[in-house]
Amino acid sequence: DTGVSQDPRHKITKRGQNVTFRCDPISEHNRLYWYRQTLGQGPEFLTYFQNEAQLEKSRLLSDRFSAERPKGSFSTLEIQRTEQGDSAMYLCASSYPPGLAGGPYEQYFGPGTRLTVT
Amino acid sequence: SQQGEEDPQALSIQEGENATMNCSYKTSINNLQWYRQNSGRGLVHLILIRSNEREKHSGRLRVTLDTSKKSSSLLITASRAADTASYFCATDATNSGYALNFGKGTSLLVTP
Repeated sequence: DTGVSQDPRHKITKRGQNVTFRCDPISEHNRLYWYRQTLGQGPEFLTYFQNEAQLEKSRLLSDRFSAERPKGSFSTLEIQRTEQGDSAMYLCASSYPPGLAGGPYEQYFGPGTRLTVT
Repeated sequence: SQQGEEDPQALSIQEGENATMNCSYKTSINNLQWYRQNSGRGLVHLILIRSNEREKHSGRLRVTLDTSKKSSSLLITASRAADTASYFCATDATNSGYALNFGKGTSLLVTP
C-alpha cells in the first residue's frame, strides 16, 4: 500500500467557483478525516467518516462545504462558491477505528491539496 | 480550535545537539501524538503516548506526558540536518471521535 493519496495536489480557482478534492485512504482504514491548514498554523479538524457515515462536522465546515464517502473507500470534499478565505492546504488522514483492539491508532496523512482562491 | 500550544515557536540548533519542544493543552485527552512536517511535504506521525503513560521512546525520540500539568515534551537527541521541520503536538478530544487538535507547531532548524 502506498499510503494516503490526494488529488489534485494544487488547485487555483477564481472566487465564486466550485472545487472538489479527492482523498484515497489506506485501504484497510475505515476512519477518514479531513483537516484544513493555513500558513503558520497547525491543521484544524473539519469532519470525519467511519466507513460511509459522516459522524462529525466541525463548526469550521460552513454550508458551502460538503464531504462524502459514498462506498466507505475514497472521499470527496467540495467547496461551493469559493472565497479567498478558503485558500489553505486541505489534508486528508485515515486510521483504524480507535476502539479496535490495540488502539488508539495514529492517523496517516496524505500530501494535501493546496487551494488558492484568486 | 487549537488546543495544543507548542513552545518554543522556533528553535535553531547545530547538528549533534539535542532539541526539546514542549506542548501544553487544555482539556482531558485519550492520547497525545507528535507529528513532523517538512517544507512542502505531508505530516508524518512520530510517536503516540497514551494518557496513562508517562514516557515513551522511539529511536532518537523521547516523549514525556504529565497529565496533571497538561503538558508534554518531545526530545530529539543527536539532531541531524534532516530533522529540520515543523513539529506539532496533537491531542484527541475524548468527545470528538478522536479527531486531532493540533497546536501551531515548533519550527526546528538544524544547521550542519
